[in-house]
Amino acid sequence: NAGVTQTPKFRVLKTGQSMTLLCAQDMNHEYMYWYRQDPGMGLRLIHYSVGEGTTAKGEVPDGYNVSRLKKQNFLLGLESAAPSQTSVYFCASRGWSTGREKLFFGSGTQLSVL
Amino acid sequence: AQSVTQPDIHITVSEGASLELRCNYSYGATPYLFWYVQSPGQGLQLLLKYFSGDTLVQGIKGFEAEFKRSQSSFNLRKPSVHWSDAAEYFCAVADNYGQNFVFGPGTRLSVLP
Repeated sequence: NAGVTQTPKFRVLKTGQSMTLLCAQDMNHEYMYWYRQDPGMGLRLIHYSVGEGTTAKGEVPDGYNVSRLKKQNFLLGLESAAPSQTSVYFCASRGWSTGREKLFFGSGTQLSVL
Repeated sequence: AQSVTQPDIHITVSEGASLELRCNYSYGATPYLFWYVQSPGQGLQLLLKYFSGDTLVQGIKGFEAEFKRSQSSFNLRKPSVHWSDAAEYFCAVADNYGQNFVFGPGTRLSVLP
């Protein structure tokens, strides 16, 4: 049971390049989330999904797209990276564990846009 | 490594009553502390944060939290709860750089009319 796995862990892009971050969970969770974390800001929600085939915008969705074609995977795409998207990105899923519902976080992806 | 406990799994209060949600942390240095709320079908929303300075922190939606170093606590309070406050609340601690978040298990709040 791997939990929530994010790939890649680190990435450096040039302005205008595109990339996709992958989040995979093996716990059969319906809810999945993408956050970005910036110094002094806490976590901010980019997009989320309440089930396979569904996505919704969070607090800071501009410049990002997402897809949830399979229940276990939630992809975050940057079509044209900008320096303002330099951040640490966290994926999370939500589900039951030991009698209560909990959030499960990936280990994060450090993205730098030059 | 830091850790967070939220002793209450589920709390029920009447609308208009006061609220206090407990959070205890473990961290060797001065922590960065956060409270988040998650409403059904939504992601985490930041209510308030403490980095330094005044130990009583004001947040959005009428919430406040008090950092008590001697008790390793960061309890969330609201003087009068509204029905729309029914949600799950997460306390989190981060290291001195505001990174390496550790979340508590959450407290579910139900509000009676």
